[in-house]
Amino acid sequence: ELKVEQNPLFLSMQEGKNYTIYCNYSTTSDRLYWYRQDPGKSLESLFVLLSNGAVKQEGRLMASLDTKARLSTLHITAAVHDLSATYFCAVDASNRDDKIIFGKGTRLHILP
Amino acid sequence: NAGVTQTPKFRILKIGQSMTLQCAQDMNHNYMYWYRQDPGMGLKLIYYSVGAGITDKGEVPNGYNVSRSTTEDFPLRLELAAPSQTSVYFCASSYRLTEAFFGQGTRLTVV
Repeated sequence: ELKVEQNPLFLSMQEGKNYTIYCNYSTTSDRLYWYRQDPGKSLESLFVLLSNGAVKQEGRLMASLDTKARLSTLHITAAVHDLSATYFCAVDASNRDDKIIFGKGTRLHILP
Repeated sequence: NAGVTQTPKFRILKIGQSMTLQCAQDMNHNYMYWYRQDPGMGLKLIYYSVGAGITDKGEVPNGYNVSRSTTEDFPLRLELAAPSQTSVYFCASSYRLTEAFFGQGTRLTVV
């Protein structure tokens, strides 16, 4: 059974600081997704990582994928208040049964 | 394009009642999913479908049923609603091996 674990689950940080969110998963997969969710809203796709070593960047966010270690990271550079949200990673078990399984999410609170 | 449309947005059910959550997408995606999100928690997969006429169970299927008679629609049926089904329900769709696009959610309370 595919399991997806994120850590930390909650992160409070000050503006201007850097931090990394980790996403570990339990089975072979070549596809990993990062989503953002604002309170009371739906999920918005941030990054799609399709292969080992993939790196994607958008503004202050950078995501990477290491399929051998079954690990993805979401790095935040010089955080700003607007990045406060919950971030989810999700793994596509397409090589087994086409499910997309989500982690519990990381609630990020950036203090001004 | 409307994307993924869910109705209703809010609903209060009494214990034992039944209802259908509607989901429609206009992107011609063959994959569709139903997730539930409990407060402060991640998303749990209820059911998914890889095409019309094909459905399969996710992580938490008990108490729910689905059907997929067309590519566009993927309704979720709750039979005999229970307080444990109080949650926000999200429908999503995708092409195979691409990211899923989500609807706005249905907030369901069972009392």
